Amino acid sequence: DIQMTQSPSSVSASVGDRVTITCRASQGIGNWLDWYQQKPGKAPKLLIFAASSLQSGVPTRFSGSGSGTDFTLTISSLQPEDFATYYCQQANSFPYTFGQGTKLEIK
Amino acid sequence: QVQLVQSGAEVKKPGSSVKVSCKASGDTFRSSAISWVRQAPGQGLEWMGGIIPIFGTPNYAQKFQGRVTITADKSTSTVYVEVTSLRSEDTAVYYCARSGVRSEDPFDYWGQGTLVTVSS
Repeated sequence: DIQMTQSPSSVSASVGDRVTITCRASQGIGNWLDWYQQKPGKAPKLLIFAASSLQSGVPTRFSGSGSGTDFTLTISSLQPEDFATYYCQQANSFPYTFGQGTKLEIK
Repeated sequence: QVQLVQSGAEVKKPGSSVKVSCKASGDTFRSSAISWVRQAPGQGLEWMGGIIPIFGTPNYAQKFQGRVTITADKSTSTVYVEVTSLRSEDTAVYYCARSGVRSEDPFDYWGQGTLVTVSS
């Protein structure tokens, strides 16, 4: 199975800050990497697919980059509604696997 | 607009089975794969397996082979996941998630989640 490792596991930031979360795959996955946001008690929400494509309706302050084994999710200017847990997921091969999550907290 | 509506919370005894349903709206089935993803309390997301309803052949994570069965009923646009020989570690929220039929398509719609509690 492909292992997905996110860093950091948690980060504290303030409204207006720029935040970057990284995700590393244990082997190359091309650009088949998706990012999800999850708030407590809610289902995950798709933000970015195929490493850098913004899902319809997602604010443009979210962006993704990377290919192969190293990927990043960047939030350019944090808004109050962005405090949540973020997961990466590889869609290159079965079984699909997720990173362990990055919890974004208010400083 | 795609909607996935899941069945309600369940409380089960260890060793028993549970079957959770996920009903899709509209023409979702014709152009979709449906996966099941679970999340134990305070933990991350875990893909269990999925199915393309128009083809009918499920795909499972090795960890769940033999204990999990995913089926689809095209007549009611409903996908099911059944987990047998339940143990306390199966306590989790179970989500169904929709993707396109290509294996690399993302999960763009999710059900609301079904809490399964395994307790004696």
